[in-house]
Amino acid sequence: GQQVMQIPQYQHVQEGEDFTTYCNSSTTLSNIQWYKQRPGGHPVFLIQLVKSGEVKKQKRLTFQFGEAKKNSSLHITATQTTDVGTYFCAGLGGSYIPTFGRGTSLIVHP
Amino acid sequence: SQTIHQWPATLVQPVGSPLSLECTVEGTSNPNLYWYRQAAGRGLQLLFYSVGIGQISSEVPQNLSASRPQDRQFILSSKKLLLSDSGFYLCAWSVGQGGNSPLHFGNGTRLTVT
Repeated sequence: GQQVMQIPQYQHVQEGEDFTTYCNSSTTLSNIQWYKQRPGGHPVFLIQLVKSGEVKKQKRLTFQFGEAKKNSSLHITATQTTDVGTYFCAGLGGSYIPTFGRGTSLIVHP
Repeated sequence: SQTIHQWPATLVQPVGSPLSLECTVEGTSNPNLYWYRQAAGRGLQLLFYSVGIGQISSEVPQNLSASRPQDRQFILSSKKLLLSDSGFYLCAWSVGQGGNSPLHFGNGTRLTVT
């Protein structure tokens, strides 16, 4: 079945440094969604990418969808302590149920 | 606006006891409903999903079951809990077909089986 791999599993950064998490699928995706889960909380939808090569920005967050629609990335510029949490990608392949990556936990040190 | 309610927030149950977690959605009709489980520090494992009343699809074999007695109600049950059932259980909803709409999660139930 479809697999979505996400790396790294953990990332420690100093406040102000940049952060990137990567998502790779074994199959071509129809779309990819990104979610953020704060510690102790539930995942919250951030964004959805649909088009090949698409790039979307939300303030300091930049989301990219690869040309082949098999990979995606989330980049945070100048991290803040409020960015702490686990970031999940979820890719939609052959079925209509998105497959979640295992997530990247971001730890920001002040 | 749409809201999702999930309860209880935390639950401690002995091994072998039954389980019933409830999730309701307000403000939308015929939602797709999902149950996920998240082990400590791990990703999201899809347990069940439903596209309509009485329609339940199971993703992994386990001693859990799900039911959808009403359009906006989704229940996760077990007759006898195992230690391995401990985890964070999340209910979610989405609308439409084709997987093009985002999932909206409830606040979750943290289950500890002792």
